[in-house]
Amino acid sequence: QVQLVESGGGVVQPGGSLRLSCAASGFTFSSYGMHWVRQAPGKGLEWVAFIRYDGSNKYYADSVKGRFTISRDNSKNTLYLQMNSLRAEDTAVYYCAKDRGYGSGSYYNALFEYWGQGTLVTVSS
Amino acid sequence: DIQLTQSPSFLSASVGDRVTITCRASQGISSYLAWYQQKPGKAPKLLIYAASTLQSGVPSRFSGSGSGTEFTLTISSLQPEDFATYYCQQLYTFGQGTKLEIK
Repeated sequence: QVQLVESGGGVVQPGGSLRLSCAASGFTFSSYGMHWVRQAPGKGLEWVAFIRYDGSNKYYADSVKGRFTISRDNSKNTLYLQMNSLRAEDTAVYYCAKDRGYGSGSYYNALFEYWGQGTLVTVSS
Repeated sequence: DIQLTQSPSFLSASVGDRVTITCRASQGISSYLAWYQQKPGKAPKLLIYAASTLQSGVPSRFSGSGSGTEFTLTISSLQPEDFATYYCQQLYTFGQGTKLEIK
């Protein structure tokens, strides 16, 4: 069965950096796009970043563009999120999610088919 | 950017009730809408995609409908395990969530 296991969360000071990892198993990782989605304490879901199956294209939410970098290592079945210049508002549980995009013609729609259990990032001095 | 607005934000209901949650898009999105269920301390779970297609393993008491700008998620007979927060989603946008509580 599909398993996604995040790690790397913790407490970091404002302006600091952190790298999250997501270990995938139970499916052909190199064939699927992957996302990071976050949830601030007591708040709703916010999409963060997406990477195509081969890493050729990456997309970011405006709130993290220029500070976060999504990447993947298909040989290790692992997804990453490098987070730099962290701010208090980045405090959240970060989930990785497997994409099962769908659509017709040239239209693509993201679908978060499976999720990891999440890892908590706290930005505080 | 498309915005998704869910109503109501909070809903109180009893076991056995039929409940409906609405998601309105700021512009037409055809049938490209999904619904997720999230229980406290857990990751979201995909329930429905393409507005009305039930994800494998999801009980048939859940159903979705709509197209264009208005969509609904219906639970035909609430079970104790259905009390959770529900989110609609299109592309990279989520609704603000609807918290379903026990009356």
